[in-house]
Amino acid sequence: DTEVTQTPKHLVMGMTNKKSLKCEQHMGHRAMYWYKQKAKKPPELMFVYSYEKLSINESVPSRFSPECPNSSLLNLHLHALQPEDSALYLCASSQGPGQGYTGELFFGEGSRLTVL
Amino acid sequence: EDQVTQSPEALRLQEGESSSLNCSYTVSGLRGLFWYRQDPGKGPEFLFTLYSAGEEKEKERLKATLTKKESFLHITAPKPEDSATYLCAVQARSGAGSYQLTFGKGTKLSVIP
Repeated sequence: DTEVTQTPKHLVMGMTNKKSLKCEQHMGHRAMYWYKQKAKKPPELMFVYSYEKLSINESVPSRFSPECPNSSLLNLHLHALQPEDSALYLCASSQGPGQGYTGELFFGEGSRLTVL
Repeated sequence: EDQVTQSPEALRLQEGESSSLNCSYTVSGLRGLFWYRQDPGKGPEFLFTLYSAGEEKEKERLKATLTKKESFLHITAPKPEDSATYLCAVQARSGAGSYQLTFGKGTKLSVIP
């Protein structure tokens, strides 16, 4: 079983809805990530938080808004999405700088998002 | 720009038929090369990290090796439950790449009973 938990597993939303994806980890990791994965494609990095501060934003549209309330939680707020945003959204965590960072990511099972 | 190329795109094996998956990479100073397994609709599962040429790691029927230009994932006597997409990723040693993995497109492995 993965130690990174994502909810919900499935989400269907209209283009005018506001929804959130949630991620929780209890491995004591201080780096957390959001990835987007389309069918038959590799994961694409969206955001990285290091010690609860946003350190990387890969030019993601503002309709995606990340939030890191504490070292265990990571949210992705969704608003006014487009059908092409339908994908599997993956949360991951890793050790951060100063924790013996090895680069190994531990992924959750993902949230399958469908935008109608 | 870091690049990762995996081959073949898809591989069908009979149960017990050993084979290898290839990951060729170019990176400006390799910090680490990672192998992940991904089942349909699930998140990638970490398998191995390799840091330097000549390094080898093993786990059950899987063995990963690394040279200066490529990595191989050897599968010995595979079973149907080994069917999955195997992803290779590299991480650069410094700069903005220190948190970023560059993934290959993956090899979809199917093991037929």
